[in-house]
Amino acid sequence: GAVVSQHPSWVICKSGTSVKIECRSLDFQATTMFWYRQFPKQSLMLMATSNEGSKATYEQGVEKDKFLINHASLTLSTLTVTSAHPEDSSFYICSARDVTGDQPQHFGDGTRLSIL
Amino acid sequence: QKEVEQDPGPLSVPEGAIVSLNCTYSNSAFQYFMWYRQYSRKGPELLMYTYSSGNKEDGRFTAQVDKSSKYISLFIRDSQPSDSATYLCAMSLYNAGNMLTFGGGTRLMVKP
Repeated sequence: GAVVSQHPSWVICKSGTSVKIECRSLDFQATTMFWYRQFPKQSLMLMATSNEGSKATYEQGVEKDKFLINHASLTLSTLTVTSAHPEDSSFYICSARDVTGDQPQHFGDGTRLSIL
Repeated sequence: QKEVEQDPGPLSVPEGAIVSLNCTYSNSAFQYFMWYRQYSRKGPELLMYTYSSGNKEDGRFTAQVDKSSKYISLFIRDSQPSDSATYLCAMSLYNAGNMLTFGGGTRLMVKP
């Protein structure tokens, strides 16, 4: 089946640093990738939709200058959390939509971000 | 009122039981219905995917969609401890890969 690789799986860093999370579709091309945030015991909250070669579309309440998204190729999207603070600590998950056909999104395994 | 409602559980059943998980929704325009399984600290894994009303079976899993009632179900037969996870229903409007609207998830525990 379709595989989406997300890296790193877990990162701990100091407040004020920037953290980049990568999302790769390994065996298919993805024109669209989605970034979600998930708090403990809650469902996924869509942060932004990323289309290859264009600017991401952010959901209401998500700071675009805080969460920088780049989708430079059909297999790679990145989310950079800039000047991270403890309140940014969360589980970040990406998903990718196959460019061919009408298929459900496939999800990465998530990145656990802890800001000290 | 949330667009997709799902009982959060936890739902605890003995091994071998039949499990029924359900979601209700308010937007009659939803056409694609998915069930994802999520283990702790992992991303969601697609289990079942159906278009419009009807049933779909895959091994021990059966998905049902009743668009007239705006109600979807996932049945798990012969449940195993390895089925213990959070189950998320999700739905989309025009394409299965489009933006998803998730239920809150139901936490299932299957006891040996």
